[in-house]
Amino acid sequence: DGGITQSPKYLFRKEGQNVTLSCEQNLNHDAMYWYRQDPGQGLRLIYYSQIVNDFQKGDIAEGYSVSREKKESFPLTVTSAQKNPTAFYLCASSYREYSNQPQHFGDGTRLSIL
Amino acid sequence: GESVGLHLPTLSVQEGDNSIINCAYSNSASDYFIWYKQESGKGPQFIIDIRSNMDKRQGQRVTVLLNKTVKHLSLQIAATQPGDSAVYFCAEKGSSNYKLTFGKGTLLTVNP
Repeated sequence: DGGITQSPKYLFRKEGQNVTLSCEQNLNHDAMYWYRQDPGQGLRLIYYSQIVNDFQKGDIAEGYSVSREKKESFPLTVTSAQKNPTAFYLCASSYREYSNQPQHFGDGTRLSIL
Repeated sequence: GESVGLHLPTLSVQEGDNSIINCAYSNSASDYFIWYKQESGKGPQFIIDIRSNMDKRQGQRVTVLLNKTVKHLSLQIAATQPGDSAVYFCAEKGSSNYKLTFGKGTLLTVNP
């Protein structure tokens, strides 16, 4: 079945530690996105990527980094510079950035501070 | 509905009733709108979308209505079932960019 796989489902970060969240899709989508969701809130865009080896900052990119070395993969690193990392992180993908197509989501990674 | 702080607006209905979930959007230039359903601990699931050149679109048991005059979007769910219990988000996309802007969501609870 085609879909978006995020791992791990739960992740714990220690002070000063960088952690990486995985996102893989086999939908042959061009664009991929990372969102952050806080309790009772909508989704806020962290980074997005239209094509391999290219990505842009979203609304809340500070303290995060990404790479897009393969079309299928878009890992997110939460760095120690992100002082409030506890949240639910969602990865999404879609066919093209400017077309009117829905984004499809993975089932998220919940990140907590130890 | 409107959301205030961290408290989601809620809608409670009886099984078999019809549900209407409302969303006010902000950008008059938005040309594409989506409704998502999010169950606890899962990612948002696409339900239905509508382009700005339409005012109504129907799916299986769901209908989306778009009123561009007052910038209002609604999702109607017919014969609501317990499995429909979830948080429902609307999202809008501007005509000149990629970005989806999400509402804060409405919690739908279906009572058996």
